[in-house]
Amino acid sequence: DVKVTQSSRYLVKRTGEKVFLECVQDMDHENMFWYRQDPGLGLRLIYFSYDVKMKEKGDIPEGYSVSREKKERFSLILESASTNQTSMYLCASSSPGGSQPQHFGDGTRLSIL
Amino acid sequence: EDQVTQSPEALRLQEGESSSLNCSYTVSGLRGLFWYRQDPGKGPEFLFTLYSAGEEKEKERLKATLTKKESFLHITAPKPEDSATYLCAVHQGSNDMRFGAGTRLTVKP
Repeated sequence: DVKVTQSSRYLVKRTGEKVFLECVQDMDHENMFWYRQDPGLGLRLIYFSYDVKMKEKGDIPEGYSVSREKKERFSLILESASTNQTSMYLCASSSPGGSQPQHFGDGTRLSIL
Repeated sequence: EDQVTQSPEALRLQEGESSSLNCSYTVSGLRGLFWYRQDPGKGPEFLFTLYSAGEEKEKERLKATLTKKESFLHITAPKPEDSATYLCAVHQGSNDMRFGAGTRLTVKP
Protein backbone atom coordinates (compact mmCIF):
# COMPACT_ATOMS: atom_id res chain seq x y z
CA ASP A 1 0.00 0.00 0.00
CA VAL A 2 1.08 3.54 -0.73
CA LYS A 3 2.09 5.42 2.34
CA VAL A 4 2.21 9.21 2.38
CA THR A 5 3.33 10.59 5.71
CA GLN A 6 2.96 14.19 6.79
CA SER A 7 5.21 15.20 9.64
CA SER A 8 2.62 16.90 11.84
CA ARG A 9 -1.12 16.34 12.31
CA TYR A 10 -1.62 19.64 14.11
CA LEU A 11 0.52 22.76 14.11
CA VAL A 12 0.06 26.17 15.70
CA LYS A 13 2.24 29.06 14.56
CA ARG A 14 2.29 32.82 14.88
CA THR A 15 1.82 35.44 12.19
CA GLY A 16 5.07 36.23 10.40
CA GLU A 17 6.78 32.94 11.24
CA LYS A 18 8.38 30.80 8.55
CA VAL A 19 6.59 27.45 8.57
CA PHE A 20 7.75 24.14 7.12
CA LEU A 21 5.38 21.28 6.32
CA GLU A 22 7.05 18.01 5.44
CA CYS A 23 5.76 15.11 3.37
CA VAL A 24 7.37 11.75 2.63
CA GLN A 25 6.11 8.98 0.36
CA ASP A 26 7.41 5.41 0.22
CA MET A 27 6.25 4.29 -3.25
CA ASP A 28 8.95 5.86 -5.40
CA HIS A 29 6.38 8.13 -7.04
CA GLU A 30 7.66 10.82 -9.37
CA ASN A 31 4.74 13.17 -8.82
CA MET A 32 4.03 14.97 -5.57
CA PHE A 33 1.46 17.63 -4.72
CA TRP A 34 0.46 20.08 -2.02
CA TYR A 35 -3.18 21.10 -1.56
CA ARG A 36 -5.10 23.10 0.97
CA GLN A 37 -8.63 22.17 1.92
CA ASP A 38 -11.12 24.69 3.22
CA PRO A 39 -14.83 24.18 3.96
CA GLY A 40 -16.97 24.76 0.89
CA LEU A 41 -13.96 25.31 -1.37
CA GLY A 42 -12.74 21.76 -1.83
CA LEU A 43 -9.11 20.95 -2.48
CA ARG A 44 -7.03 23.64 -4.13
CA LEU A 45 -3.63 22.92 -5.63
CA ILE A 46 -0.76 25.01 -4.27
CA TYR A 47 2.32 23.48 -5.91
CA PHE A 48 3.32 20.22 -7.53
CA SER A 49 6.49 18.51 -8.65
CA TYR A 50 7.20 15.96 -11.36
CA ASP A 51 10.77 15.25 -10.37
CA VAL A 52 13.55 16.09 -7.96
CA LYS A 53 14.38 19.81 -7.91
CA MET A 54 11.44 20.49 -10.20
CA LYS A 55 8.35 22.48 -9.17
CA GLU A 56 5.29 23.95 -10.81
CA LYS A 57 2.79 26.48 -9.49
CA GLY A 58 -0.75 25.34 -8.93
CA ASP A 59 -3.82 27.51 -8.58
CA ILE A 60 -2.91 29.34 -5.36
CA PRO A 61 0.88 29.55 -4.97
CA GLU A 62 1.01 33.06 -3.49
CA GLY A 63 2.65 33.09 -0.07
CA TYR A 64 4.04 29.58 -0.45
CA SER A 65 7.15 27.91 -1.80
CA VAL A 66 8.25 24.29 -2.05
CA SER A 67 11.40 22.22 -1.99
CA ARG A 68 12.08 18.80 -3.44
CA GLU A 69 15.68 17.77 -2.81
CA LYS A 70 14.94 14.03 -2.73
CA LYS A 71 12.42 12.01 -4.71
CA GLU A 72 10.52 10.83 -1.65
CA ARG A 73 10.28 14.18 0.14
CA PHE A 74 8.30 17.30 -0.75
CA SER A 75 8.25 20.27 1.59
CA LEU A 76 5.83 23.17 1.67
CA ILE A 77 7.10 26.45 3.06
CA LEU A 78 5.03 29.38 4.26
CA GLU A 79 7.52 32.21 3.92
CA SER A 80 5.75 34.56 6.37
CA ALA A 81 2.65 32.96 7.81
CA SER A 82 -0.59 34.90 7.82
CA THR A 83 -3.94 34.16 9.43
CA ASN A 84 -5.56 33.47 6.04
CA GLN A 85 -3.23 30.50 5.69
CA THR A 86 -4.98 28.72 8.52
CA SER A 87 -6.21 25.57 6.82
CA MET A 88 -5.89 21.82 6.37
CA TYR A 89 -2.87 21.01 4.19
CA LEU A 90 -2.79 17.76 2.26
CA CYS A 91 0.14 16.16 0.50
CA ALA A 92 -0.32 13.59 -2.27
CA SER A 93 1.80 11.50 -4.60
CA SER A 94 1.16 9.58 -7.81
CA SER A 95 2.85 7.55 -10.50
CA PRO A 96 3.76 9.29 -13.74
CA GLY A 97 2.10 8.81 -17.11
CA GLY A 98 -1.54 8.73 -18.02
CA SER A 99 -4.18 9.50 -15.47
CA GLN A 100 -3.06 7.96 -12.22
CA PRO A 101 -4.84 8.35 -8.88
CA GLN A 102 -3.23 10.52 -6.27
CA HIS A 103 -2.62 9.04 -2.83
CA PHE A 104 -2.97 11.36 0.11
CA GLY A 105 -1.49 11.76 3.54
CA ASP A 106 -3.71 12.43 6.54
CA GLY A 107 -3.11 16.14 6.45
CA THR A 108 -1.70 18.83 8.70
CA ARG A 109 -4.20 21.13 10.35
CA LEU A 110 -2.34 24.42 10.58
CA SER A 111 -3.50 27.32 12.72
CA ILE A 112 -1.86 30.72 12.39
CA LEU A 113 -2.50 32.99 15.35
CA GLU B 1 -14.15 27.82 -16.92
CA ASP B 2 -13.68 24.16 -16.18
CA GLN B 3 -15.77 23.09 -13.25
CA VAL B 4 -16.58 20.09 -11.11
CA THR B 5 -19.86 20.30 -9.21
CA GLN B 6 -21.06 17.76 -6.68
CA SER B 7 -24.59 17.40 -5.44
CA PRO B 8 -26.11 17.30 -2.98
CA GLU B 9 -23.80 19.05 -0.52
CA ALA B 10 -25.09 16.81 2.26
CA LEU B 11 -27.20 13.67 2.30
CA ARG B 12 -28.75 11.90 5.25
CA LEU B 13 -29.93 8.33 4.76
CA GLN B 14 -31.37 5.63 6.94
CA GLU B 15 -29.41 2.42 7.06
CA GLY B 16 -30.44 0.34 4.04
CA GLU B 17 -31.83 3.31 2.10
CA SER B 18 -30.07 3.32 -1.29
CA SER B 19 -29.25 6.58 -3.06
CA SER B 20 -26.88 8.26 -5.51
CA LEU B 21 -24.36 11.08 -5.38
CA ASN B 22 -23.76 13.21 -8.45
CA CYS B 23 -20.61 14.73 -9.93
CA SER B 24 -21.07 16.89 -13.02
CA TYR B 25 -18.12 18.30 -14.92
CA THR B 26 -17.50 20.72 -17.75
CA VAL B 27 -13.84 20.02 -18.49
CA SER B 28 -12.85 19.24 -22.05
CA GLY B 29 -10.71 16.27 -22.93
CA LEU B 30 -11.43 14.23 -19.82
CA ARG B 31 -8.60 11.81 -19.09
CA GLY B 32 -9.97 10.33 -15.92
CA LEU B 33 -12.59 10.82 -13.22
CA PHE B 34 -11.77 9.82 -9.66
CA TRP B 35 -13.86 9.14 -6.59
CA TYR B 36 -12.42 9.46 -3.10
CA ARG B 37 -13.77 8.90 0.38
CA GLN B 38 -12.66 11.22 3.18
CA ASP B 39 -13.28 10.54 6.86
CA PRO B 40 -13.10 13.40 9.40
CA GLY B 41 -9.52 14.32 10.21
CA LYS B 42 -8.12 12.07 7.49
CA GLY B 43 -6.85 12.49 3.95
CA PRO B 44 -8.92 11.38 0.96
CA GLU B 45 -8.82 7.66 0.27
CA PHE B 46 -8.88 6.58 -3.36
CA LEU B 47 -11.94 4.54 -4.43
CA PHE B 48 -12.29 4.42 -8.24
CA THR B 49 -11.01 5.73 -11.53
CA LEU B 50 -13.30 5.93 -14.57
CA TYR B 51 -11.84 6.71 -17.97
CA SER B 52 -14.61 6.65 -20.54
CA ALA B 53 -18.36 7.08 -20.85
CA GLY B 54 -20.24 3.89 -20.10
CA GLU B 55 -17.60 2.56 -17.73
CA GLU B 56 -18.66 1.23 -14.33
CA LYS B 57 -16.67 0.22 -11.25
CA GLU B 58 -17.90 -1.51 -8.08
CA LYS B 59 -16.59 -1.97 -4.58
CA GLU B 60 -18.76 -3.50 -1.88
CA ARG B 61 -21.86 -1.28 -1.62
CA LEU B 62 -20.50 1.38 -3.96
CA LYS B 63 -20.88 1.56 -7.72
CA ALA B 64 -19.51 4.40 -9.85
CA THR B 65 -20.75 5.18 -13.35
CA LEU B 66 -19.65 7.71 -15.96
CA THR B 67 -21.34 9.59 -18.80
CA LYS B 68 -19.97 12.37 -20.97
CA LYS B 69 -21.23 15.02 -18.58
CA GLU B 70 -21.42 13.42 -15.15
CA SER B 71 -20.64 10.57 -12.84
CA PHE B 72 -22.80 8.92 -10.22
CA LEU B 73 -21.75 7.14 -7.08
CA HIS B 74 -24.53 4.73 -6.22
CA ILE B 75 -24.71 3.47 -2.66
CA THR B 76 -26.75 0.32 -2.18
CA ALA B 77 -28.13 -0.55 1.26
CA PRO B 78 -25.70 1.76 3.05
CA LYS B 79 -24.43 1.13 6.56
CA PRO B 80 -23.41 3.69 9.20
CA GLU B 81 -19.75 3.00 8.40
CA ASP B 82 -20.34 4.41 4.93
CA SER B 83 -20.75 7.83 6.51
CA ALA B 84 -18.01 10.09 5.10
CA THR B 85 -17.45 12.89 2.64
CA TYR B 86 -17.20 11.66 -0.95
CA LEU B 87 -15.04 13.68 -3.31
CA CYS B 88 -15.01 13.66 -7.08
CA ALA B 89 -12.03 14.82 -9.14
CA VAL B 90 -11.38 15.09 -12.87
CA HIS B 91 -8.09 14.96 -14.74
CA GLN B 92 -8.00 16.66 -18.09
CA GLY B 93 -4.37 16.65 -19.01
CA SER B 94 -0.93 17.75 -17.88
CA ASN B 95 -1.35 17.52 -14.16
CA ASP B 96 -4.49 19.52 -13.83
CA MET B 97 -6.78 17.65 -11.47
CA ARG B 98 -9.90 19.49 -10.34
CA PHE B 99 -11.79 18.51 -7.21
CA GLY B 100 -15.41 19.06 -6.37
CA ALA B 101 -16.39 20.37 -2.94
CA GLY B 102 -17.70 16.96 -1.90
CA THR B 103 -20.92 15.38 -0.62
CA ARG B 104 -21.15 14.77 3.09
CA LEU B 105 -23.01 11.48 3.61
CA THR B 106 -24.53 10.50 6.94
CA VAL B 107 -26.10 7.06 7.35
CA LYS B 108 -28.21 6.67 10.47
CA PRO B 109 -28.75 3.26 12.09
